Amino acid sequence: QSALTQPASVSGSPGQSITISCTGTNSDVGGYNFVSWYQQHPGKAPKLILYNVFDRPSGVSRRFSASKSGNTASLIISGLQAEDEADYYCASYTSRSTVIFGGGTKVTVL
Amino acid sequence: VQLVESGGGLVQPGGSLKLSCVASGFSFSNYWMTWVRQAPGKGLEWVANINQDGSERHYADSLRGRFTISRDNADNSLYLQMNSLRPEDTAIFYCGRDAPYSASSGFFDHWGQGILVSVSS
Repeated sequence: QSALTQPASVSGSPGQSITISCTGTNSDVGGYNFVSWYQQHPGKAPKLILYNVFDRPSGVSRRFSASKSGNTASLIISGLQAEDEADYYCASYTSRSTVIFGGGTKVTVL
Repeated sequence: VQLVESGGGLVQPGGSLKLSCVASGFSFSNYWMTWVRQAPGKGLEWVANINQDGSERHYADSLRGRFTISRDNADNSLYLQMNSLRPEDTAIFYCGRDAPYSASSGFFDHWGQGILVSVSS
């Protein structure tokens, strides 16, 4: 099963908003509201920032939000800050009771 | 919540290795658990998950037959037995906490620090 499709890189200036897309199929993203997003800084373990499409774990900034339409989910980072520079991955539960990740998006703060 | 992986290292192609992940700070036996790997400079790849009592296990298609996930709730431990290892299996392996429900949630709210597995002659 191929990875979910994410743009390789997205950049923005401090204070701006950026959007990262995550495209799958009816068997994963489009079939379930079990899409999650992870932030990973270099040399660190991934950190859950959104789950069940929209929900934020305790302690995660409200500047991170998400949406889903059909087979595409999106992560929105508003008020971009230098600390947001990292790799971001989407993931989805699948019809085969497995999990599939996106290829990852490198966010650069200009 | 703390997850600590061990058992990684250098292994020759065709060899075997067993990873361990010891959990603390939560009721381990109430949660699905998962393994995720990341090859050097590459993205995350889901490997396998296991339900609370070990009766249900799922694997990435690319790994089926070579890797086996298991757990010991008495020891709060998760395992990954890896056989017939290939150079392309070189990666950091992370254990992660999944859902406390009857089915996997597909998201992992706590991760270990990761353990490096290198497959090379």
